Amino acid sequence: TQLLEQSPQFLSIQEGENLTVYCNSSSVFSSLQWYRQEPGEGPVLLVTVVTGGEVKKLKRLTFQFGDARKDSSLHITAAQPGDTGLYLCAGVTGNFNKFYFGSGTKLNVKP
Amino acid sequence: NAGVTQTPKFQVLKTGQSMTLQCAQDMNHEYMSWYRQDPGMGLRLIHYSVGAGITDQGEVPNGYNVSRSTTEDFPLRLLSAAPSQTSVYFCASKLQGNREQYFGPGTRLTVT
Repeated sequence: TQLLEQSPQFLSIQEGENLTVYCNSSSVFSSLQWYRQEPGEGPVLLVTVVTGGEVKKLKRLTFQFGDARKDSSLHITAAQPGDTGLYLCAGVTGNFNKFYFGSGTKLNVKP
Repeated sequence: NAGVTQTPKFQVLKTGQSMTLQCAQDMNHEYMSWYRQDPGMGLRLIHYSVGAGITDQGEVPNGYNVSRSTTEDFPLRLLSAAPSQTSVYFCASKLQGNREQYFGPGTRLTVT
């Protein structure tokens, strides 16, 4: 059973479109992270959100942590082919020792 | 710095064979961990360690053993491989008390 559910599972869009990926949980986490993974490589951390209601921006990527610290979203504005990859969210326990990953969203941005 | 390194990159085992997946880091990180990644399942934590001599179980520890004799190395042992252990295995490390993990490139294991 996944503690974190991501949607959608797959997303194929044209360059220039906007998209939102969701990460939902029934559990409360001390913080939530978003990673991007390319084929044949390990995940790379994009952002950590800590406070309920927090919004962080990373260029064209906007990350939001829900008020109750159970859900998060990743919004990409004007997607580019370089954004193609697997996006994973992960909930972090209070002592930062356990990380629970969602099942991932596979994004394909077509030129 | 090489970061987190894993060997081998690919491995094929027969059911019942044993093997050790190697993981090393040169960042002096106290915390190291092992995950498996299966299609549609994301990454699941197998075991982790917060320092030499200290290990603990994650979500899916059955069938795997670990030990941590040095800060740099955290090997994962499969004593009797099963087809259900076919997966991609990732090692990660971080400073204890920090949230940012650094992942290795992974080992793709197939058990026939």
